[in-house]
Amino acid sequence: GAVVSQHPSRVICKSGTSVKIECRSLDFQATTMFWYRQFPKQSLMLMATSNEGSKATYEQGVEKDKFLINHASLTLSTLTVTSAHPEDSSFYICSARDRDRGAYGYTFGSGTRLTVV
Amino acid sequence: QKEVEQNSGPLSVPEGAIASLNCTYSDRGSQSFFWYRQYSGKSPELIMFIYSNGDKEDGRFTAQLNKASQYVSLLIRDSQPSDSATYLCAVKRRNTDKLIFGTGTRLQVFP
Repeated sequence: GAVVSQHPSRVICKSGTSVKIECRSLDFQATTMFWYRQFPKQSLMLMATSNEGSKATYEQGVEKDKFLINHASLTLSTLTVTSAHPEDSSFYICSARDRDRGAYGYTFGSGTRLTVV
Repeated sequence: QKEVEQNSGPLSVPEGAIASLNCTYSDRGSQSFFWYRQYSGKSPELIMFIYSNGDKEDGRFTAQLNKASQYVSLLIRDSQPSDSATYLCAVKRRNTDKLIFGTGTRLQVFP
């Protein structure tokens, strides 16, 4: 089955530093990758959509200069939280899209718990 | 109005009962509808999806879609304590691959 590897699973960083989160599709090529953020007891909020080789499309209200997304290949997308602050502490989840699998073609990573201290 | 709305719960049902989870959506251009289960601290797992009006059954799960009312539901028969989780409704609009999630309903199945 389709597998998406997301690293790190947990990270604690100091306020003002940057953190990079990797999302990798292991056994398929992802036409599109999505990045979500989830605060405690809240839903997954879509942050941005990235396609290989092109700039990411950000949802309204998401700062593109703060959340840098790079989609260098069909199997790898990265999210960098720049100058992180405590309010950025959240659960970040990626989802890789394989259109060949239709409605089954959304595979989620295991998530990254970011804590900014 | 949020694009996808769910009652946050918790919905408490006894073991063996039917759990009924509801979701409404605002965009009539929505094309596909998904139900995911999410355990605390984990990523969502797909339960099933539906895109035609009516019912779709898969084991103990039945999804129901009513596009005229912009309403989709999930029934869980013979609920088990292991079904206790948050259930997320997600909607895909036509001409986009994005999934938009509701806030989720927390289900508690007690023995």
